[in-house]
Amino acid sequence: DAKTTQPTSMDCAEGRAANLPCNHSTISGNEYVYWYRQIHSQGPQYIIHGLKNNETNEMASLIITEDRKSSTLILPHATLRDTAVYYCIVRVEFDNFNKFYFGSGTKLNVKP
Amino acid sequence: SAVISQKPSRDICQRGTSLTIQCQVDSQVTMMFWYRQQPGQSLTLIATANQGSEATYESGFVIDKFPISRPNLTFSTLTVSNMSPEDSSIYLCSVSPGQGKPQHFGDGTRLSIL
Repeated sequence: DAKTTQPTSMDCAEGRAANLPCNHSTISGNEYVYWYRQIHSQGPQYIIHGLKNNETNEMASLIITEDRKSSTLILPHATLRDTAVYYCIVRVEFDNFNKFYFGSGTKLNVKP
Repeated sequence: SAVISQKPSRDICQRGTSLTIQCQVDSQVTMMFWYRQQPGQSLTLIATANQGSEATYESGFVIDKFPISRPNLTFSTLTVSNMSPEDSSIYLCSVSPGQGKPQHFGDGTRLSIL
C-alpha cells in the first residue's frame, strides 16, 4: 500500500475553511484516496474518497492533484465539533477483503 | 450504513487474566477486522476475520495472544489473553459491508490493565 504523509497538527478558526493536505507520491493507478476522522472517544468515521476527480459530499470536498501525488481535504466551514484526528489512506476501492492501514494522521484543532 | 456494537465499552482488568470483546453488526458482512489503538497512537490492524475460516493475523500479532472467533456473518469476538499493562489500549472492530461501500468502525473497547 502507498504510504501517506500528513502534518502532525493544524489549527483552524471556527467558521473558516479547514484545508488538510496529504502527500501520497507512490500511489498506484488503481488506488483511491480515502479520508476518515476520529473524534475523541469514538471510532473512525468515513468522510469521503476519490480516485482522480474532485469529490464533494455533505461533509467535505476532496481535491486530488492531476498527478495524484497529493490531495487536500476541505471542510468548508469548520465548527468546534470538527476537532478530530484526520486520516488520509490510499487503497484499492472498498471490497470485501480490503484492509486499511492507518498512518499517524493530522490533529485538527478548531478554535473559537 | 452498518451499525456496529461493541461490548464491553470499557473494562479494567487484572494482569494475567483474559477478556473477550464482542462485536455485533446489524447486517451480514463478509469481512470483519480488529484493530488496536494504544494511548496517543494511531490504529494498528490486528487481524482479519472471515466467517467460516481462521482469522488472518498481521505481523506482530499471534493467535495465542489474540484468539478470534467468527461464528456467523454478524458477530465476532476478540480475546486478549494473559493481559499485561502493555495491553492497555482501545480495541476496535470494523466491517467491510461490500464492494464500493465504506468500511465502518465501532466505537471501541477501552481496556485498562492494572
